[in-house]
Amino acid sequence: DTEVTQTPKHLVMGMTNKKSLKCEQHMGHRAMYWYKQKAKKPPELMFVYSYEKLSINESVPSRFSPECPNSSLLNLHLHALQPEDSALYLCASSPTSGAITDTQYFGPGTRLTVL
Amino acid sequence: GDSVTQMEGPVTLSEEAFLTINCTYTATGYPSLFWYVQYPGEGLQLLLKATKADDKGSNKGFEATYRKETTSFHLEKGSVQVSDSAVYFCASRRSGGSYIPTFGRGTSLIVHP
Repeated sequence: DTEVTQTPKHLVMGMTNKKSLKCEQHMGHRAMYWYKQKAKKPPELMFVYSYEKLSINESVPSRFSPECPNSSLLNLHLHALQPEDSALYLCASSPTSGAITDTQYFGPGTRLTVL
Repeated sequence: GDSVTQMEGPVTLSEEAFLTINCTYTATGYPSLFWYVQYPGEGLQLLLKATKADDKGSNKGFEATYRKETTSFHLEKGSVQVSDSAVYFCASRRSGGSYIPTFGRGTSLIVHP
């Protein structure tokens, strides 16, 4: 099973709301990632968790707050977002974060609209 | 820094036509190379990969060969179908260090019946 699941599929929120995106994998992967993808663009890396510890933060604004409660779950907490944050948010996982042969598997994404 | 260059789309073909989407890379050392496909409204799916020179990745009729001498990883399919319409991303990932893939811009493929 090479499945990464994400919920919700769609999310509409106002600029004062607080919401969370959820990602789950049961492949035993120890690295998990959040990406942001705007229309007709490649994914942009936001955060990397390796063995449940945050290892990379690509200078993402603090209104995005990641959390990795355990090795299977990854959350992205959202607060006071701006309309320009509207995008497809993709979660991914890989066996580790360093082996050359590792492959990254993506979830279906959450389509976020900020009003 | 590392970079991946893909041909600009959209690529528009008739069903059963031959497909080539060009991809070249610049990287230190010998990166692993990947093709991902993104269908409308969905996430990225790994299509195929190659981890060393002269490796050929293949899946669902698609093929790509890792060419070190030309730093290329072109995607090919002998006979496309309407269901192949999607955006295709070429990506590289350098050996060692954290897994931070470098994506190309993506190439949109439109296949007409």
